[in-house]
Amino acid sequence: KQEVTQIPAALSVPEGENLVLNCSFTDSAIYNLQWFRQDPGKGLTSLLLIQSSQREQTSGRLNASLDKSSGRSTLYIAASQPGDSATYLCAVNQGGSEKLVFGKGTKLTVNP
Amino acid sequence: DTGVSQDPRHKITKRGQNVTFRCDPISEHNRLYWYRQTLGQGPEFLTYFQNEAQLEKSRLLSDRFSAERPKGSFSTLEIQRTEQGDSAMYLCASSGGVGGFNSPLHFGNGTRLTVT
Repeated sequence: KQEVTQIPAALSVPEGENLVLNCSFTDSAIYNLQWFRQDPGKGLTSLLLIQSSQREQTSGRLNASLDKSSGRSTLYIAASQPGDSATYLCAVNQGGSEKLVFGKGTKLTVNP
Repeated sequence: DTGVSQDPRHKITKRGQNVTFRCDPISEHNRLYWYRQTLGQGPEFLTYFQNEAQLEKSRLLSDRFSAERPKGSFSTLEIQRTEQGDSAMYLCASSGGVGGFNSPLHFGNGTRLTVT
């Protein structure tokens, strides 16, 4: 059974800092991995999707990497801003199923 | 692209009552998903539709839960004889386009259900 773990559960940083969020998964036979952002009381916003054949994806100040063999992904946020404050979730899709398996998320607070 | 729309945003009901939620996906998306999220947890998969066909259901979807997507457009999720353990945020998502299976999911803002 696929399990997804995100560390740390919460992170507080000053504005302008670069930071890394971690995601690990137990079964490396994944089809893709997605990073989402969730603001309080809202739905999820897709940030980046990495296919199993890819090593990384970039969008603006965000960079996500994927190491399938070790079951790890990282989300790098450059020059953090207070507007980046949210919960960040990673999710994996194993193929053969439409189900995404989510971690519990990392709650990020960027202080002005 | 008006996004995924869910209705109602909040629902408070008494235990034992039936509730129905509606989801309107992004119009050109053929894939539609329902997830459930409780406080401090990531979303859990409930069910998946491709067009009007319900192709996948989680074991979490007990016989009190039923979902439909008539004509492959909007979808409804009904919970019969609600229990306090059904209290959660119910999220709908859709995807589609040339990426197929690798298209990102677009989520609605959810329906928060409270069973008293």
